Amino acid sequence: GDSVTQMEGPVTLSEEAFLTINCTYTATGYPSLFWYVQYPGEGLQLLLKATKADDKGSNKGFEATYRKETTSFHLEKGSVQVSDSAVYFCALGPQGAQKLVFGQGTRLTINP
Amino acid sequence: DTGVSQNPRHKITKRGQNVTFRCDPISEHNRLYWYRQTLGQGPEFLTYFQNEAQLEKSRLLSDRFSAERPKGSFSTLEIQRTEQGDSAMYLCASSWGTGGVETQYFGPGTRLLVL
Repeated sequence: GDSVTQMEGPVTLSEEAFLTINCTYTATGYPSLFWYVQYPGEGLQLLLKATKADDKGSNKGFEATYRKETTSFHLEKGSVQVSDSAVYFCALGPQGAQKLVFGQGTRLTINP
Repeated sequence: DTGVSQNPRHKITKRGQNVTFRCDPISEHNRLYWYRQTLGQGPEFLTYFQNEAQLEKSRLLSDRFSAERPKGSFSTLEIQRTEQGDSAMYLCASSWGTGGVETQYFGPGTRLLVL
């Protein structure tokens, strides 16, 4: 069945460091891909998405490119801030279905 | 637009009791979803509605779980005869669309603890 595998956390970085959180998926057809973020004490928020191969989603300095050949959707940011500390979830929306399939989440902590 | 709201935010109950959670989606959204999230894991899909019709249910949704969306607006999720394994965060999300996967907007969740 459809599944998402995320880089294990927790991840701790210093402010202004480069961030990569790896995400790979298994799915049939052409799923949509998402990154959601959960800040402390808040609900899940969509960070970015991509709906077809080679699409790049971007928001708030974060980027991820839909790579069908490697079945990946890695999240990157060039210079992280303390305010980026949160749990990040990679998710896929299977083709023809309405549900989202989530990875297990990666907790990110940014130290000043 | 006040976002997706869920009530209650927290619920503590004893094993064997029934509990009911409510979700109010974003007003113009026709689709509503329920997910369950346990500690350290990502959300798992439970069920989804398009308007008042329940169109998909996960195998995770045992016979003790029932969800309704009677007028295509708010939804309720009831768990009968709760078990300790039901302890989790229950998330509601909503979206607008008639085609493929749209952006789902999540509520803050209801945290259930079964003693």
